[in-house]
Amino acid sequence: GEDVEQSLFLSVREGDSSVINCTYTDSSSTYLYWYKQEPGAGLQLLTYIFSNMDMKQDQRLTVLLNKKDKHLSLRIADTQTGDSAIYFCAEGFAGNNRKLIWGLGTSLAVNP
Amino acid sequence: GAVVSQHPSWVICKSGTSVKIECRSLDFQATTMFWYRQFPKQSLMLMATSNEGSKATYEQGVEKDKFLINHASLTLSTLTVTSAHPEDSSFYICSARDWGRQETQYFGPGTRLLVL
Repeated sequence: GEDVEQSLFLSVREGDSSVINCTYTDSSSTYLYWYKQEPGAGLQLLTYIFSNMDMKQDQRLTVLLNKKDKHLSLRIADTQTGDSAIYFCAEGFAGNNRKLIWGLGTSLAVNP
Repeated sequence: GAVVSQHPSWVICKSGTSVKIECRSLDFQATTMFWYRQFPKQSLMLMATSNEGSKATYEQGVEKDKFLINHASLTLSTLTVTSAHPEDSSFYICSARDWGRQETQYFGPGTRLLVL
């Protein structure tokens, strides 16, 4: 079946790099996403990667995809206190109505 | 670009009343919108998928008569919680898929519903 797993918590010091990991089970996904949710707010699309890519970099964010191991990671360089939030990994599929499959979210705490 | 708004941002109502939540895509056309529910410290639970001009597709276990969805235009979908009860209290979030960029979903800021 379809399943996306993430570790629930990550704590880092300000200025360090954060790496949030995600594993998924359905290899037919077309896109893999990272969303950020700050307390009491909706979700912000951070970045996404097409499933035939293995890396995407966008400023401080680096996404790595290992399709063989069905493993996705999000690296945040020079983590700031404003990066404290919940980060959701999601798997997306082709087709207009095809829903996203969500992980439970990783709560990132950035300590000064 | 790609802004989705929700209204209201929060609502408190008495048990038995109905509450309507609006979801609008402000700068793009959304043929498909999604309605989610999120409980504290939990992930998103997809309730239904809404296509413009047609009936919504509900996920298993979601009562379509209780959660009425209308997607009347390419920029507006509404969710009406009918005869709300305290257990319907939750954070409701909508998302919209950009017609021109099918790979992305953009989320609204959410509506917090408290039923007394």
